[in-house]
Amino acid sequence: SFELTQPLSVSVALGQTARITCRGTSIESYNVHWYQQKPGQAPVLVIYTISGRPSAIPERFSGSNSGDTATLTISSAQDGDEADYYCQMWDTSSAVVFGGGTRLTVL
Amino acid sequence: QVQLQESGPGLVKSSETLSLTCTVSGASISDSYWSWIRQRPGKGLEWIGYVSNSGTPNFNPSLKSRVTMSVDTSKNQLSLRLTSVTATDTAVYYCARQVTILEVIIVYFDSWGQGTQATVSS
Repeated sequence: SFELTQPLSVSVALGQTARITCRGTSIESYNVHWYQQKPGQAPVLVIYTISGRPSAIPERFSGSNSGDTATLTISSAQDGDEADYYCQMWDTSSAVVFGGGTRLTVL
Repeated sequence: QVQLQESGPGLVKSSETLSLTCTVSGASISDSYWSWIRQRPGKGLEWIGYVSNSGTPNFNPSLKSRVTMSVDTSKNQLSLRLTSVTATDTAVYYCARQVTILEVIIVYFDSWGQGTQATVSS
């Protein structure tokens, strides 16, 4: 089955840009989606279909996908962005695949 | 605004069956696909399976032999049954609305319930 690999943790200075990667073989051929999960809360969709953004999500959140890497970019990072982030796709074997998750720390 | 609310027993004995219900409001359960997703303590998200708007299920191969899902359109609810549970099934279980466009391989989750804790005891 397809595997998605994320770094365990990413740190970013307040106000700077954070980039969270999601690696998978030829991932550029797939639609990748991203979720934010804060402690004790359910996940929230932040990016869908590579770069789509739900209306409630700030423009600071964006996505891209090229080669073997999909990337979630958070510009002007704020304290409230501290959370776990998960990438997700639909595998051709008809299954949902999640990445292992990345803990974002805002310094 | 769609809302999802999971409910269940909270505590299940090992080898028994875990049964959970998700009540949907603000949307018809017949209009979408719906998934169950779980999160073990301190771990990531694991997809369990979905039921389509026509009631057709599709399960994670790793859980397929133990899972059943169904919908009750009269109550606007979906249900999950997981048999022969062990301690490794202890997790928070979420139901989620699934946006599904299979023709272009788009599947994602735009609304989630708050989750319900299920603990398997020996």
